[in-house]
Amino acid sequence: GENVEQHPSTLSVQEGDSAVIKCTYSDSASNYFPWYKQELGKGPQLIIDIRSNVGEKKDQRIAVTLNKTAKHFSLHITETQPEDSAVYFCAARETGGFKTIFGAGTRLFVKA
Amino acid sequence: GAVVSQHPSRVICKSGTSVKIECRSLDFQATTMFWYRQFPKQSLMLMATSNEGSKATYEQGVEKDKFLINHASLTLSTLTVTSAHPEDSSFYICSAREPIEKTQYFGPGTRLLVL
Repeated sequence: GENVEQHPSTLSVQEGDSAVIKCTYSDSASNYFPWYKQELGKGPQLIIDIRSNVGEKKDQRIAVTLNKTAKHFSLHITETQPEDSAVYFCAARETGGFKTIFGAGTRLFVKA
Repeated sequence: GAVVSQHPSRVICKSGTSVKIECRSLDFQATTMFWYRQFPKQSLMLMATSNEGSKATYEQGVEKDKFLINHASLTLSTLTVTSAHPEDSSFYICSAREPIEKTQYFGPGTRLLVL
């Protein structure tokens, strides 16, 4: 089955700097990769996703890149703000697949 | 994005009692919903997959008689923690699968404390 690894587990950046979170997946059949942001005491919120027919997707300060050959994908947050502090989860799912497999999460701290 | 609600947001109960948690997809119909459990500072642990009109599929190690799941309509799934014990205290989160893109949207979570 699919296995998703996420790094780093904790990331601390200065406000205004960029943050990068990386994930790798094992199943080459996976072709949908969402990213979720979870704030303390709340449920995860979908912030961006990418499908395997696209190499990069951007939404304002957030971008995701996908390298199908290497089976890894990354989340990039530019101009970080304190409100970006949260836990971020990457995930992978096969087309029409039933389950979404989540990474272990990255705790991002943005210092003002 | 799509909205998934969960009720209650937090509940405190006595050991031995049962607690029901509701998960609703508010603006789409979901034939599939998922129930997760999350311990502090840990990832999401899938407990079971809830299928409308049929029995839930439980992950290995999850007791189906302990965690009863009912998905009676296309917008509602319920999780009942039966005979709750302190070790059942946790953050329970549901998600609903949007039928077209099959994207999962999460509810806000329910914090259960069993005394």
